[in-house]
Amino acid sequence: GIQVEQSPPDLILQEGANSTLRCNFSDSVNNLQWFHQNPWGQLINLFYIPSGTKQNGRLSATTVATERYSLLYISSSQTTDSGVYFCAVLWGGGNKLTFGTGTQLKVEL
Amino acid sequence: KAGVTQTPRYLIKTRGQQVTLSCSPISGHRSVSWYQQTPGQGLQFLFEYFSETQRNKGNFPGRFSGRQFSNSRSEMNVSTLELGDSALYLCASSTTLGGLGSGANVLTFGAGSRLTVL
Repeated sequence: GIQVEQSPPDLILQEGANSTLRCNFSDSVNNLQWFHQNPWGQLINLFYIPSGTKQNGRLSATTVATERYSLLYISSSQTTDSGVYFCAVLWGGGNKLTFGTGTQLKVEL
Repeated sequence: KAGVTQTPRYLIKTRGQQVTLSCSPISGHRSVSWYQQTPGQGLQFLFEYFSETQRNKGNFPGRFSGRQFSNSRSEMNVSTLELGDSALYLCASSTTLGGLGSGANVLTFGAGSRLTVL
């Protein structure tokens, strides 16, 4: 099956700092989504980005499908950005998402 | 419009019991999929239903089953519970059954059902 790896596994930032999270995948995919999991467990859609670049406020994402990676940029981080960030790819038919291992982000004052 | 609704949010069971979890998708969404999240295994795909038919199944034992009703609501059942079944169970809905990147198969997740098996 497809392998999805995320780095770094853990990240601690001071409020206001910028960061880049990376997602590598081992095969061509139809769909890639970035999620933020809040402390209560809910997965919140951040981006649907099978290719190209998108921006939403302080967040932006870039996927280079031909090189099989995606990046999530967080600028001017805030404490509310804390949580786990997952990338997930659609591979193998249907809506079966394969998730990466996640990046645990903690933003401190 | 309302999001994906999962019930119950929290539950505690003992080994050997069974449990049924419910998921109501976003109105108009016909695909419902289920995922299990544990600290050790991360997020893993359980199964997917579309138009009342199971279309995809993950690598889980037969104790895990599900179904979808004509109104697209879905239930999953776990029989003969084991300690290792303690997890957050997440449901997601989508308008379509996957496919190329049209955006129509973006998955939206519910808040989850947190199961503890004692």
